[in-house]
Amino acid sequence: QVQLQQSGAELTKPGSSVKISCKASGYTFTSYDISWIKQRPGQALEWIGAINPGSGGTGYNEKFKGKATLTVDKSSSTAFMQLSSLTPEDTAVYYCARGKLLQWFDYWGQGVMVTVSS
Amino acid sequence: DTVLTQSPALAVSPGERVTISCRASESVSTLMHWYQQKPGQQPKLLIYKASNLASGVPARFSGSGSGTDFTFTIDPVEADDIATYYCHQSWNSPRTFGGGTKLELK
Repeated sequence: QVQLQQSGAELTKPGSSVKISCKASGYTFTSYDISWIKQRPGQALEWIGAINPGSGGTGYNEKFKGKATLTVDKSSSTAFMQLSSLTPEDTAVYYCARGKLLQWFDYWGQGVMVTVSS
Repeated sequence: DTVLTQSPALAVSPGERVTISCRASESVSTLMHWYQQKPGQQPKLLIYKASNLASGVPARFSGSGSGTDFTFTIDPVEADDIATYYCHQSWNSPRTFGGGTKLELK
């Protein structure tokens, strides 16, 4: 069955960076884009960007350019998102989700809580 | 960015029919999708491309609409349906989500 398994919760300090992962299984990793979505506590969902694991091509929400960097490791079917220059505004749950261009997200990871605090 | 506007909350009783609306600030064709999110869980796809039921989702859930106006219906509502529901458009970049509609018990 399709699964997206994300890494564990992170507690980080302002100004630092964090890299979280999303390991895919149960399907051909290169056949679907992986998107990343941010959800601040009690808030709605925001699309950060997406990566095509086959080509490595990326697309970002302008709001998150310079904040998020998306990469993949095809050998381990894992997608990564690095968040840089962290501030308390980056405190949120971050989800990875599977979906093709222009399509819906049919599978989601369980989410990673990133807390930015001094 | 395409803004998706949902009513923030609705109170329902089990057995009732409930309809949630989502209005887009510009056309999204039929690329509107609906998700259910329960506290502490990831969103779950219920409806894709405005009216298509996702795999394994009960037929109590349905969706309709095109362009800028979309609706999502649960009929009849069950107690397990208490959750927040989000619309999501994938026609325009960036993809955007509505603010969510929280279903509460009367």
